Amino acid sequence: DAGVIQSPRHEVTEMGQEVTLRCKPISGHNSLFWYRQTMMRGLELLIYFNNNVPIDDSGMPEDRFSAKMPNASFSTLKIQPSEPRDSAVYFCASSPGVQGNEKLFFGSGTQLSVL
Amino acid sequence: AQSVTQLDSQVPVFEEAPVELRCNYSSSVSVYLFWYVQYPNQGLQLLLKYLSGSTLVKGINGFEAEFNKSQTSFHLRKPSVHISDTAEYFCAVSSGGGADGLTFGKGTHLIIQP
Repeated sequence: DAGVIQSPRHEVTEMGQEVTLRCKPISGHNSLFWYRQTMMRGLELLIYFNNNVPIDDSGMPEDRFSAKMPNASFSTLKIQPSEPRDSAVYFCASSPGVQGNEKLFFGSGTQLSVL
Repeated sequence: AQSVTQLDSQVPVFEEAPVELRCNYSSSVSVYLFWYVQYPNQGLQLLLKYLSGSTLVKGINGFEAEFNKSQTSFHLRKPSVHISDTAEYFCAVSSGGGADGLTFGKGTHLIIQP
């Protein structure tokens, strides 16, 4: 298996533009997580899905952020409109089950820069 | 609610010396504990995890960690580090009951000096 695949690897955009980050989890995994990493705040859980259903989106910072998982093999994280303070590395991770003891498999991340 | 505190943001160590990276957690329920490593420009990889049973857990690359419930700690150790161990190390906690995501500490940057 190729692991968790994220695209793009790097995204540079201007303030106010819409940004869409994409994630393909490992086939057969039932849980998918979106994390944001910054120097100031470390790794923050934004949202996670179990069996394609959003379970907890309390980490989503504002209404400008939205996430979808239309099927078991694809998820998107959208920021509209983007702001400079959204600049960060965004990680997608998946795990086989729906229990808290499962290992997370991380993608390589998307480095987002909002100018 | 659960939280993780990594007391050191940066730990410099000479090559072949031992190292301990500290982690303390707080949670109102039983927990699962994890250590992840992040090499430059990569995602996180699992080093080891504690679910139950023996409090001493061995992981990959010669690392081990000890769960101490009374001190709510899960410190990571390696008896002799190598230059390739230079990376960011994250401690994480998950509640024992359900399918929530991991809560990560802010990370400790391990710097190996030749």
